[in-house]
Amino acid sequence: GAGVSQTPSNKVTEKGKYVELRCDPISGHTALYWYRQSLGQGPEFLIYFQGTGAADDSGLPNDRFFAVRPEGSVSTLKIQRTERGDSAVYLCASSFGTSNEQFFGPGTRLTVL
Amino acid sequence: SQQGEEDPQALSIQEGENATMNCSYKTSINNLQWYRQNSGRGLVHLILIRSNEREKHSGRLRVTLDTSKKSSSLLITASRAADTASYFCATATYNQGGKLIFGQGTELSVKP
Repeated sequence: GAGVSQTPSNKVTEKGKYVELRCDPISGHTALYWYRQSLGQGPEFLIYFQGTGAADDSGLPNDRFFAVRPEGSVSTLKIQRTERGDSAVYLCASSFGTSNEQFFGPGTRLTVL
Repeated sequence: SQQGEEDPQALSIQEGENATMNCSYKTSINNLQWYRQNSGRGLVHLILIRSNEREKHSGRLRVTLDTSKKSSSLLITASRAADTASYFCATATYNQGGKLIFGQGTELSVKP
């Protein structure tokens, strides 16, 4: 079956712009996670959803970052007033339940000029 | 924040040799998972070991977990050039959903 998909695969934007990153999880997976990975580092947790609600958003760096999952499937990560420090690969993962392996998408590479 | 520390940061071996990577973590965990990443993009799940398990095997992979030492190791036997990748351990703690805290990874290079 289809895996986790993320769009776009690459996004280049200018400092101060708004961006949206989309994640399509595996059908039937109730949990959805967003991570951010900088070069040479391991992924860092941002937020996770159980169904439609954000169960834990403790990893969001500041209020410029926001994520939604209105119908319990597709999720969008939104970044306002982008800064050069936001440049990273944004990874989405989904799982069936919260005690199991997570399936990762290919990521969106965000570059803020 | 990063929970795990991985050792070594980089490992270079010849095809056919075994590769061992270690991971240490700080807090009590529900489970520990190992992932592989090629070219800095999507991660592939390799194996999950729960806190009440001590050892697990999957093909050429062997994972051990020592909760008293808060450490885990990943052994890849009879390595192949295709095993060249970055390997990450990630921990999931109780009462925090399935959120994973990753280590910084071990970069494995297997030379043919």
